[in-house]
Amino acid sequence: AQSVTQLGSHVSVSEGALVLLRCNYSSSVPPYLFWYVQYPNQGLQLLLKYTTGATLVKGINGFEAEFKKSETSFHLTKPSAHMSDAAEYFCAVTPHSGNTPLVFGKGTRLSVIA
Amino acid sequence: EAQVTQNPRYLITVTGKKLTVTCSQNMNHEYMSWYRQDPGLGLRQIYYSMNVEVTDKGDVPEGYKVSRKEKRNFPLILESPSPNQTSLYFCASSLKGYGRVNEKLFFGSGTQLSVL
Repeated sequence: AQSVTQLGSHVSVSEGALVLLRCNYSSSVPPYLFWYVQYPNQGLQLLLKYTTGATLVKGINGFEAEFKKSETSFHLTKPSAHMSDAAEYFCAVTPHSGNTPLVFGKGTRLSVIA
Repeated sequence: EAQVTQNPRYLITVTGKKLTVTCSQNMNHEYMSWYRQDPGLGLRQIYYSMNVEVTDKGDVPEGYKVSRKEKRNFPLILESPSPNQTSLYFCASSLKGYGRVNEKLFFGSGTQLSVL
């Protein structure tokens, strides 16, 4: 069975500072990994995904994530936080094979302080 | 515009009064799903559907029903709502369902349900 653990339900950073949101997964087979973002009063939007190939994945709004198989991690980073990045972020996993639905983490709320 | 439309946006009801939350997508997607979002618990899948007339239970199906008679619609039915079903609900769809390289989920804007 797959699962996703997001460390920290709430992360607070200063504007301009590095954003690091942590995600670790467990999967018995090589996974597909995703980060979704939820802005206030909206549904989720895909930020980026890892399927195969290059382990460093770039997404929208300057975010990127690196798949590290040895650490079973897929942490989300952004070099410089903007106020508009304040949102809830969800990591999700699904195995390569079959049509197994996504399993989401519990989410990390990012606050950006001016 | 490609979108997933949920209605209503907000709903307050009383225990035991049957309700339906509608979900419609205009992208000819085969896969549709319902999630509930609760503080500290993240998103949990209620039911999903891989195609018309094909539905499966997710992680928390108790107290819910779904149907998929048409490709574009996937209503969520609460036959006898209870206060523990107070939550924020999201409908989502994707072209074929996960396991394929270029899939992504499109989400509706959510339905905030309060059961008194």
